[in-house]
Amino acid sequence: DGGITQSPKYLFRKEGQNVTLSCEQNLNHDAMYWYRQDPGQGLRLIYYSQIVNDFQKGDIAEGYSVSREKKESFPLTVTSAQKNPTAFYLCASSIDPAGTGLGNTEAFFGQGTRLTVV
Amino acid sequence: GEDVEQSLFLSVREGDSSVINCTYTDSSSTYLYWYKQEPGAGLQLLTYIFSNMDMKQDQRLTVLLNKKDKHLSLRIADTQTGDSAIYFCADLPTFGAGTRLTVKP
Repeated sequence: DGGITQSPKYLFRKEGQNVTLSCEQNLNHDAMYWYRQDPGQGLRLIYYSQIVNDFQKGDIAEGYSVSREKKESFPLTVTSAQKNPTAFYLCASSIDPAGTGLGNTEAFFGQGTRLTVV
Repeated sequence: GEDVEQSLFLSVREGDSSVINCTYTDSSSTYLYWYKQEPGAGLQLLTYIFSNMDMKQDQRLTVLLNKKDKHLSLRIADTQTGDSAIYFCADLPTFGAGTRLTVKP
């Protein structure tokens, strides 16, 4: 089955610790995205990547880091510098063929990871 | 940057039509999207509209696009209790805040 998988579904961490959220897709998509969702605020873009070994900051990148060493994988690290890390994190991917520009094709979403920092 | 806005709440009775409205600021996108989110889950694509169309109908869903006013709407006919969810308007990669639709029996 083709799809996008986030793991784990629930994650608990102590304040001050870094934590890495996994996102894997087998859709052969070039573009991948990380969003954060807080109640009543919709989805806010953290980072996105249009191609392997390249990524750009979104609207709220501070306190987060990413890597894109493989086409299938786009892990997100929530660092201790992120002031309010407790949230629901969503990963997405899209075909985004070169030359059409970011965001002109449908995005497929994972089921999300709910991170709670205590 | 791009801004996408939608109202936060909508409540309707079962069997009525629901209309969710959205405004956006970037006029260069080729497609605009509607996503649905059920509690604790990711987002699922409901429908999308190509930017050179005014209307798209897909079973109970009708999307209207007014490019001049940068206004997008989603109409759900014969709304059912199973339609209760949060609906997001998207001009990828930017999303609106989501409209929570509540359907009362």
